[in-house]
Amino acid sequence: DAGVIQSPRHEVTEMGQEVTLRCKPISGHNSLFWYRQTMMRGLELLIYFNNNVPIDDSGMPEDRFSAKMPNASFSTLKIQPSEPRDSAVYFCASNSGQGREKLFFGSGTQLSVL
Amino acid sequence: GNSVTQMEGPVTLSEEAFLTINCTYTATGYPSLFWYVQYPGEGLQLLLKATKADDKGSNKGFEATYRKETTSFHLEKGSVQVSDSAVYFCALSSPGATNKLIFGTGTLLAVQP
Repeated sequence: DAGVIQSPRHEVTEMGQEVTLRCKPISGHNSLFWYRQTMMRGLELLIYFNNNVPIDDSGMPEDRFSAKMPNASFSTLKIQPSEPRDSAVYFCASNSGQGREKLFFGSGTQLSVL
Repeated sequence: GNSVTQMEGPVTLSEEAFLTINCTYTATGYPSLFWYVQYPGEGLQLLLKATKADDKGSNKGFEATYRKETTSFHLEKGSVQVSDSAVYFCALSSPGATNKLIFGTGTLLAVQP
C-alpha cells in the first residue's frame, strides 16, 4: 500500500497567488481529513469528509480556504488568495471511518507564502 | 469544548534515561486517547492508544495509562534511544464525533548519545 500521497511536498508562492494542495487517500478509506500544523497553533483540523461529503468544516479559517473531494481517491485544498500567515505544513490523513481508529497521515506539504 | 494539553518542549534527555511526557484532557463523556509520533520530515503515525478508563496502551517500549480520575494519559518509556527523537502528540477522539481527532500542540523530544 502506497499510503496517503500528498503533492507537492514543498510549495513557495507569492502573496495573492492561488495555491492548490492535493491528496490521494489510501484506497478503501472512506474518511479524509485536512490538518494544518504551525509552531504557534500546533495541529489544527481544517475539514473532514466522509464518503466524499464534507462533515465538519468549522476549522477552515476563512473564505479564502476551500476544500473539495470530487471522488473517493482525490481531494484538494485551495487557498485563494494566499497570505504569508498561511505558511504552514498541511497534512492530509485518511481512515476507514468506522469509529475511533487511527489516522494514516501523508508526508505533508510545506507551504511558504512570501 | 474538548481539548488536550501537553507539556511544552523541548525535552532533552541522554540515551537510556527515563521519559515522561505529560498529557491531560478535557472532554465530556468517554473519549478514546492516543499518542502519535512525528519523525523529522514525515507525517504523524499512531504510537499507542487506549479506549477506556484504566486501559494501558503500549508499543515499542512506550506506555500510557488512561486515568479518568486525573483526566491524564502520560507517555512513559523506561530507556530512551537516539532513534526516539521526534515530536510526540497526545490526542483524543471527540465523544460526540467518533471519527474526529483533537491533538495537543506536540512535545519535541531530543535524545543525545
